[in-house]
Amino acid sequence: AQKITQTQPGMFVQEKEAVTLDCTYDTSDQSYGLFWYKQPSSGEMIFLIYQGSYDEQNATEGRYSLNFQKARKSANLVISASQLGDSAMYFCAMRTASGGSYIPTFGRGTSLIVHP
Amino acid sequence: EAQVTQNPRYLITVTGKKLTVTCSQNMNHEYMSWYRQDPGLGLRQIYYSMNVEVTDKGDVPEGYKVSRKEKRNFPLILESPSPNQTSLYFCASSLRVDRGHNYGYTFGSGTRLTVV
Repeated sequence: AQKITQTQPGMFVQEKEAVTLDCTYDTSDQSYGLFWYKQPSSGEMIFLIYQGSYDEQNATEGRYSLNFQKARKSANLVISASQLGDSAMYFCAMRTASGGSYIPTFGRGTSLIVHP
Repeated sequence: EAQVTQNPRYLITVTGKKLTVTCSQNMNHEYMSWYRQDPGLGLRQIYYSMNVEVTDKGDVPEGYKVSRKEKRNFPLILESPSPNQTSLYFCASSLRVDRGHNYGYTFGSGTRLTVV
């Protein structure tokens, strides 16, 4: 069975500092994708970054990077130079080929608050 | 603009009164899915569809129906809503997932449903 674990219910960071949001996953599939989504208080789900299991380099998208450690089964999101607008819920998700349906699994989320 | 459109954004209804939440995507995505989001539980999949006329149950399908008669539309039907279906609902879509390429979801803006 697939599982995503986000152990930090809430995180606080000072504006302009970097922050790491933790995500560990469990799957027996060799082919999978890992995603991070941002959910601001307005409620919409915003795709941030994607990492494939066969990708050798860590994914980066602007201020977001994914620290992918395959042997440890972790996919931490790093936000550099935090901004007030980064305050939101962040969800880690995984998609595998299990059963051929590619059903995504989501973590329970981490609430990030950026202080001025 | 490529998007997933959900309607309505907000809905208050009474127990037992049938309702439909519409979802439409303009990206020619094969895969569509419905989620509910509840505090502390993250996102849980209700139903998904891998293509036209192909639907399957997710983790929490009880009390819901779906149909996929056209590729772009995937309505969620609550035949007899109950208060425990009060939640934030998301429709999402993606391209078909191939091994080696794992496509993230595009989410709709969400529907906040209250059943009294």
